[in-house]
Amino acid sequence: DAKTTQPNSMESNEEEPVHLPCNHSTISGTDYIHWYRQLPSQGPEYVIHGLTSNVNNRMASLAIAEDRKSSTLILHRATLRDAAVYYCILRDGTSGSRLTFGEGTQLTVNP
Amino acid sequence: GAVVSQHPSRVICKSGTSVKIECRSLDFQATTMFWYRQFPKKSLMLMATSNEGSKATYEQGVEKDKFLINHASLTLSTLTVTSAHPEDSSFYICSAGLAGSRDGGELFFGEGSRLTVL
Repeated sequence: DAKTTQPNSMESNEEEPVHLPCNHSTISGTDYIHWYRQLPSQGPEYVIHGLTSNVNNRMASLAIAEDRKSSTLILHRATLRDAAVYYCILRDGTSGSRLTFGEGTQLTVNP
Repeated sequence: GAVVSQHPSRVICKSGTSVKIECRSLDFQATTMFWYRQFPKKSLMLMATSNEGSKATYEQGVEKDKFLINHASLTLSTLTVTSAHPEDSSFYICSAGLAGSRDGGELFFGEGSRLTVL
């Protein structure tokens, strides 16, 4: 499985943007970049995913570097409910392929 | 969005007993489901891939006779922890994706099942 590297923790203030980085220098051409987040004692929640182009949805934006060796998850206005562990994961674009979690980034949002 | 439900959410059992955890896809069919376990303050560890109508594929180091997985239908996978011991106490989480999805699409996760073995 291709590996990702994320900072262990980050802090943000409420209502400010948050940029969560992820390095994936060994990404292959068929790997999609996925982001999930997990609140304490809950299952992970899908945030966003993409292949080459930047992606936007109601939760976040995903900015993918041109060489695809890194990406950034952008929360445009952090809220206290965004405090969670954020996982950046590479998933092969084959039907049924598995998702292997790294350590993730613990995001703290200060009021 | 698609929903995956786990049952029970919490279970406490005595050492030596077996415990079954169910994972259901409520509004979609899932030919493949995944089972994870998570220890406190740690990341999710993939245990096995559950395939409908065939044997599960276990990750290296996971005992298949200890963690029995059955995927009898397109909406139900079960994980049975056999002869549970205190070291099996953990948070067990299942996930599933839409059958036939070919773009590495999102996975939907259950709420998790917390097992405590006394």
